[in-house]
Amino acid sequence: NAGVTQTPKFRVLKTGQSMTLLCAQDMNHEYMYWYRQDPGMGLRLIHYSVGEGTTAKGEVPDGYNVSRLKKQNFLLGLESAAPSQTSVYFCASADYPYEQYFGPGTRLTVT
Amino acid sequence: KNEVEQSPQNLTAQEGEFITINCSYSVGISALHWLQQHPGGGIVSLFMLSSGKKKHGRLIATINIQEKHSSLHITASHPRDSAVYICAVRSKTSGSRLTFGEGTQLTVNP
Repeated sequence: NAGVTQTPKFRVLKTGQSMTLLCAQDMNHEYMYWYRQDPGMGLRLIHYSVGEGTTAKGEVPDGYNVSRLKKQNFLLGLESAAPSQTSVYFCASADYPYEQYFGPGTRLTVT
Repeated sequence: KNEVEQSPQNLTAQEGEFITINCSYSVGISALHWLQQHPGGGIVSLFMLSSGKKKHGRLIATINIQEKHSSLHITASHPRDSAVYICAVRSKTSGSRLTFGEGTQLTVNP
């Protein structure tokens, strides 16, 4: 099993460009999450999903959109990237009792 | 004040030392998680606990629900234990969502 995978691993964007980050899991988990990790701060929840076709806002949702059309995939979109979105993005999945399994991360730089 | 506070922020130890990392939280919780982030960036779950104590190899995690405090202990530390250790809580009202501490950077020197 691959667990949780993220695509791409690295990306450099110019301000105003758009991109989509893909998270895929092969554990049949119901719950999926997108986090960002910035220096000096804990992981912060951007959006999450409690099942196929559902999404909900987390702590820092502004500037991001998500979709969960298939149970195994959770997409994070940036419609118009800003330098403040430079970060490392982690995806995670879980099922009851909610131990989370993390992907390897995507390092995004917005110039 | 953050919901989850870890101490210390940074910790340097010599190989073989006993290490303790502390986590305090301010909300009622369903469970507390300890995670490890490797120097390469990957994050793995070490423990999930809601009471008492759990042990896995040289790692021990304890929690005191009344005092809203948890500790992660590493016995006979080794340079390969060097990593960031992250405490996270699942509150009673947050469903499956976690709130994370800022992490403790541990460096174990040979």
